[in-house]
Amino acid sequence: SQQGEEDPQALSIQEGENATMNCSYKTSINNLQWYRQNSGRGLVHLILIRSNEREKHSGRLRVTLDTSKKSSSLLITASRAADTASYFCATINTDKLIFGTGTRLQVFP
Amino acid sequence: DVKVTQSSRYLVKRTGEKVFLECVQDMDHENMFWYRQDPGLGLRLIYFSYDVKMKEKGDIPEGYSVSREKKERFSLILESASTNQTSMYLCASSLTGRQWGHDPPTQYFGPGTRLLVL
Repeated sequence: SQQGEEDPQALSIQEGENATMNCSYKTSINNLQWYRQNSGRGLVHLILIRSNEREKHSGRLRVTLDTSKKSSSLLITASRAADTASYFCATINTDKLIFGTGTRLQVFP
Repeated sequence: DVKVTQSSRYLVKRTGEKVFLECVQDMDHENMFWYRQDPGLGLRLIYFSYDVKMKEKGDIPEGYSVSREKKERFSLILESASTNQTSMYLCASSLTGRQWGHDPPTQYFGPGTRLLVL
């Protein structure tokens, strides 16, 4: 079963622009994670936000969490061509992660 | 750095063949996972192992089995491959809840195996 749904499914922007992707989930969570997947490769963990946090930063990444709306957003500022990838949110059920369907981001030089 | 390796990047098999996908991690993680990834469906958990010889079904275990004889190695077995098992297979590992400490575990993924069943 999928917990998260990302929106949009696909996003195309120019280098230097900001990219925002959203994730909605269904059940109560203790934390939410974001992962990146470069084309044809495995996933890499980007950032974790706890349920008692509203916003978290890591470099050019900014994650927000609204537990009342059961939603999270990932903002990538000043995007680069190397940010081209799929991005997934994931919530934890005991030790298991439940992934959303992902947003495909294309950054054009 | 955690390293998770998968035995093959690409694999082509015929319908009815028995297929073994191997995954090895080098960080002494107790948890290991097998996912399949299909366009529009995201990652779906096939099986999960929380210790040697221990396993738990995920969301889509039908047509698959797993083996974990050693802590570092988790194998996915397609007993009789079918064309609808053509997919990208991803292995991952993580610390277990008892090992979390302050932060919940993140999962470390292998590069994936793209399996084509003809």
